[in-house]
Amino acid sequence: QKEVEQDPGPLSVPEGAIVSLNCTYSNSAFQYFMWYRQYSRKGPELLMYTYSSGNKEDGRFTAQVDKSSKYISLFIRDSQPSDSATYLCAIFGGNKLTFGGGTRVLVKP
Amino acid sequence: GAVVSQHPSRVICKSGTSVKIECRSLDFQATTMFWYRQFPKKSLMLMATSNEGSKATYEQGVEKDKFLINHASLTLSTLTVTSAHPEDSSFYICSARDLGTRAYEQYFGPGTRLTVT
Repeated sequence: QKEVEQDPGPLSVPEGAIVSLNCTYSNSAFQYFMWYRQYSRKGPELLMYTYSSGNKEDGRFTAQVDKSSKYISLFIRDSQPSDSATYLCAIFGGNKLTFGGGTRVLVKP
Repeated sequence: GAVVSQHPSRVICKSGTSVKIECRSLDFQATTMFWYRQFPKKSLMLMATSNEGSKATYEQGVEKDKFLINHASLTLSTLTVTSAHPEDSSFYICSARDLGTRAYEQYFGPGTRLTVT
């Protein structure tokens, strides 16, 4: 079993729709939870991070963590074509980041 | 914001040769730098962690004699792929942690695409 599981997609949505992404993880010792956005052939860019169960909002992005279920989510409201990218969840524990496989998102105009 | 650069952005080399990739923190001091490898449509896999002035710590399954890492200064780490083979072709990404920031905060470079022919 992988430490962090993420549906690879692709996930195709019309412009303006809500994008819903999620990951599950296996190690309850993981401490911090991140979401990165990666455009093709570029390095990942940190979108949000959180360390506790609950919701965290930043503009159109909401990160959600449920530690009891070992489940994290990212929601993107009012999606734009520029949001088309691969979204990676990452979890920090044991002094290193462990990434999910990434979900490719396509927002169609 | 914190910027990390990588050079070159893409490189093609012949099988059996060695290639060096540089990772630089441009506007901050990075005590720790990380090297990742990413296959097409796959996630980032941590290869090694390097601390300035000390030997790198390699992840299980990563050959330290093949992937030489040097972190000689607070702004520069290099990854040398020795005796490269076609299976070493991949996207290599570095990240750096700013001195004094939280352990989980890493800034990623734009990546280097290595193709071994």
